[in-house]
Amino acid sequence: DIQMTQSPSSLSASVGDRVTITCRASQGIRNYLVWFQQKPGKAPKSLIYAASTLQSGVPSRFSGSASGTDFTLTISSLQPEDFATYYCQQYNSYPRTFGQGTKVEIK
Amino acid sequence: EVQVVESGGGLVQPGQSLRLSCTASGFSFGDYAMSWVRQAPGKGLEWVGLIRSKGSGGTPEYAASVKDRFTISRDDSKSIAYLQMNSLKIDDTALYYCSRRDGDYWGQGTLVTVSS
Repeated sequence: DIQMTQSPSSLSASVGDRVTITCRASQGIRNYLVWFQQKPGKAPKSLIYAASTLQSGVPSRFSGSASGTDFTLTISSLQPEDFATYYCQQYNSYPRTFGQGTKVEIK
Repeated sequence: EVQVVESGGGLVQPGQSLRLSCTASGFSFGDYAMSWVRQAPGKGLEWVGLIRSKGSGGTPEYAASVKDRFTISRDDSKSIAYLQMNSLKIDDTALYYCSRRDGDYWGQGTLVTVSS
C-alpha cells in the first residue's frame, strides 16, 4: 500500500499568514493527489485535484504543487474561514490512502 | 445540483450486519464510480472502498480492513450505491461518507455505532 505522510500534524497561524502543508508519498503516484478541507461537523470538501488543479469555486489563495513524491498545499493568505483540518489522498492505486491530516488553528 | 445522501446508519451489536445506502442526484449516476470513506470519532479519514461504473467494469475495490466483510454494490436504475457491512466490529464505529469518484462531491455521512 502507498503510505501518505502528511506534515505538520497541526499548526497555529494568524489571519493573513502564508501556510504550507506537505504530503509525501511512499512511492510514485504521478499527480494523482487530491487535497480536502474538513471543518468540524462537516463532510470533507475537495479543494485541489491532480495535485495542482483548483476545484471549481475554490478561492485562488489555495494552490497545490508537486515535486516527485512530495506534494504541497499552500494557502497564500489565511482567512478566518480556512481554519480547518486538511487531508491529502492519493488516487493512483488501490487501496486509496489518506494522509493523517493537518489541523490549522488560530494563533 | 449534484447531491449525495447517505442513509441506513444506526446502533448494532458486534457480529451483526447493516446496509448503508447512498442516493445520488444531479448527475448521470451510471457514468461515475462511487466511493465510501469512514471517519471514526475524533480520527482521520479512512478509505473503505469504491465501485467502478458499469462502463469500467462495475467492479469494487476494498480496504484490507473491510475486505471479506463489506460489499459495495450499485443500482444504476435507482442511482443508489450500497455498502453491505457484515460481521461488524467495535472498530467499525464511524461516520460513513459516500462520495462521487474520488471525492469531488460528498454526502453528509451516516453514523454507524457498533456496541454491545
